[in-house]
Amino acid sequence: NAGVTQTPKFQVLKTGQSMTLQCAQDMNHEYMSWYRQDPGMGLRLIHYSVGAGITDQGEVPNGYNVSRSTTEDFPLRLLSAAPSQTSVYFCASSSPAGQANSPLHFGNGTRLTVT
Amino acid sequence: AQSVTQLGSHVSVSEGALVLLRCNYSSSVPPYLFWYVQYPNQGLQLLLKYTSAATLVKGINGFEAEFKKSETSFHLTKPSAHMSDAAEYFCAVSDHRTGTASKLTFGTGTRLQVTL
Repeated sequence: NAGVTQTPKFQVLKTGQSMTLQCAQDMNHEYMSWYRQDPGMGLRLIHYSVGAGITDQGEVPNGYNVSRSTTEDFPLRLLSAAPSQTSVYFCASSSPAGQANSPLHFGNGTRLTVT
Repeated sequence: AQSVTQLGSHVSVSEGALVLLRCNYSSSVPPYLFWYVQYPNQGLQLLLKYTSAATLVKGINGFEAEFKKSETSFHLTKPSAHMSDAAEYFCAVSDHRTGTASKLTFGTGTRLQVTL
């Protein structure tokens, strides 16, 4: 079982470059989300989606865009990378979307460095 | 707004000793609470969750946690540490008032070191 798959595992960008972090899940989960993990700050929610065509902002959305055209995929786009976006990014999914006690299933993360 | 506080960013125990990782929460309504574990270079895995049923919750790998409303706590324990328990542990609270699954607020994490 693949679960939640994130690509790439590592990425180095120069300031101002753009890129897309990919996330795919094969569990037919309605809910998908992106978190960033920074030392001493835990995980912070960037964007989330409760189904195809529906997205919303989390705690730290600035500088990131998302879309949800299919149930399986939830890419995260960095429009113009900044050093402050150096972080480890995690995609997570769960089901059903309407139940807050549903645990999250996490991918293995993308480690992004912006120079 | 909901929040969780994890006391101690690093905890070191000897193999076979009791593990106690502390988590206090703040929520204006009864919360859903979770403990996740992160092994090096991996994503987070669910250890256990509290969803207003039994206050003592048993999870995987011998871990358990007790919900204490009077103390607003949800501490994680394991009677006897094993080397394989070395990892980072995150407490999280869910804002179930929105009806949206898994808008979790995470604590800052506690790194558990297990020594021989």
